[in-house]
Amino acid sequence: AQRVTQPEKLLSVFKGAPVELKCNYSYSGSPELFWYVQYSRQRLQLLLRHISRESIKGFTADLNKGETSFHLKKPFAQEEDSAMYYCALLTLNAGGTSYGKLTFGQGTILTVHP
Amino acid sequence: NAGVTQTPKFQVLKTGQSMTLQCAQDMNHEYMSWYRQDPGMGLRLIHYSVGAGITDQGEVPNGYNVSRSTTEDFPLRLLSAAPSQTSVYFCASSTGDAGAYGYTFGSGTRLTVV
Repeated sequence: AQRVTQPEKLLSVFKGAPVELKCNYSYSGSPELFWYVQYSRQRLQLLLRHISRESIKGFTADLNKGETSFHLKKPFAQEEDSAMYYCALLTLNAGGTSYGKLTFGQGTILTVHP
Repeated sequence: NAGVTQTPKFQVLKTGQSMTLQCAQDMNHEYMSWYRQDPGMGLRLIHYSVGAGITDQGEVPNGYNVSRSTTEDFPLRLLSAAPSQTSVYFCASSTGDAGAYGYTFGSGTRLTVV
């Protein structure tokens, strides 16, 4: 069965410091991974998709299949980055299409201090 | 284009009462899902659907019922509310190519069972 682990419930950094939110996954198939962000009392928003290899709001994430990790990084944290971050894994079938099941980690609350 | 709309936003129920949480999307998305969000537990999948007439159980389906008679709507029914069902409920939808586009989330329903 698929599993997503975010080992840190809370992460605090100061403005301008680098930040890394850890995500590890367990999945027998080829993973499709995402990072979602939830600002205070708002809906979840898609932040990054690993297949697009994009940088959004200065965040990047690289899939490391050897370490089964998909850590989220930003070189210089900003106060507006304070939020809950979720790593998520999409389950695919043998044909490579989605079952439609998205499994989330427990989430990491990032606080960026001024 | 309203995206994913959830109603109500807040609800208080007494133990044993039943109710339906509504979810509607206007993006012609094939996939729809219900999650519950609890502190320290992340988001857990309750039920999901890959198209009208097709539903399946997620990680925590007990006490909940779903049906998908149209592409647009995916209501979640609480059969007999229990205090353990106090949570924030999120509905999400996606195209069939969920890996490329990710899921779009509603704003949530905050449910308290007393």
